[in-house]
Amino acid sequence: QVTLRESGPALVKPTQTLTLTCTFSGFSLNTSGMCVSWIRQPPGKALEWLARIDWDDDKNYNTSLKTRLTISKDTTKNQVVLTMTNLAPVDTATYFCARAKLWRGAFDLWGQGTMVTVSS
Amino acid sequence: EIVMTQSPATLSVSPGERVTLSCRASQSVSTYLAWYQQRPGQAPRLLIYGASTRATGIPARFSGGGSGTEFTLTISSLQSEDFALYYCQQYNNWPPLTFGGGTRVEIK
Repeated sequence: QVTLRESGPALVKPTQTLTLTCTFSGFSLNTSGMCVSWIRQPPGKALEWLARIDWDDDKNYNTSLKTRLTISKDTTKNQVVLTMTNLAPVDTATYFCARAKLWRGAFDLWGQGTMVTVSS
Repeated sequence: EIVMTQSPATLSVSPGERVTLSCRASQSVSTYLAWYQQRPGQAPRLLIYGASTRATGIPARFSGGGSGTEFTLTISSLQSEDFALYYCQQYNNWPPLTFGGGTRVEIK
């Protein structure tokens, strides 16, 4: 069965660093073309793409958040990790990881999402 | 950055009706356009990719069309489970990959 699952803290204080983990099964990030992205959705708002890591370790970031984001993968653990620094209340959102099977492909599989609240 | 604009923001329709949602890109994305459905409290689900290809398991009442900058998603006969949010997304040019603001399909 092909699945993705996000994990991380539910509550983070302003200025802190957020670390989110996407654990997946049923596919390998060593497979040519395979990519995993992080996408977020503030309450009641639209989806916002954050970052992507490809099978060949190429990484891309949303330009507006690039200085705060780092994405990495551990293919032995089937995990993709996103760190976001200097959190603010506007970063409160549900964070999803999603897979694309092609370098230029749609997100065919999503995790259920993890809600992160930034508050003191 | 390619800006995706969806219209209308909300559609009020009755079950069984046909509905068409629109998505416009600020520059050509060829046919690298996807549609997603998001029900309350759930993750988005891929409906259409390549502008017009239904994803696995998606009913035939969903159809996509368009190319370049203008796209549509049509639901031929709305079922109760189709009342949801719908997003378009371009994957022709990145970073960033971009989504539209969404269209809510609600019961009239």
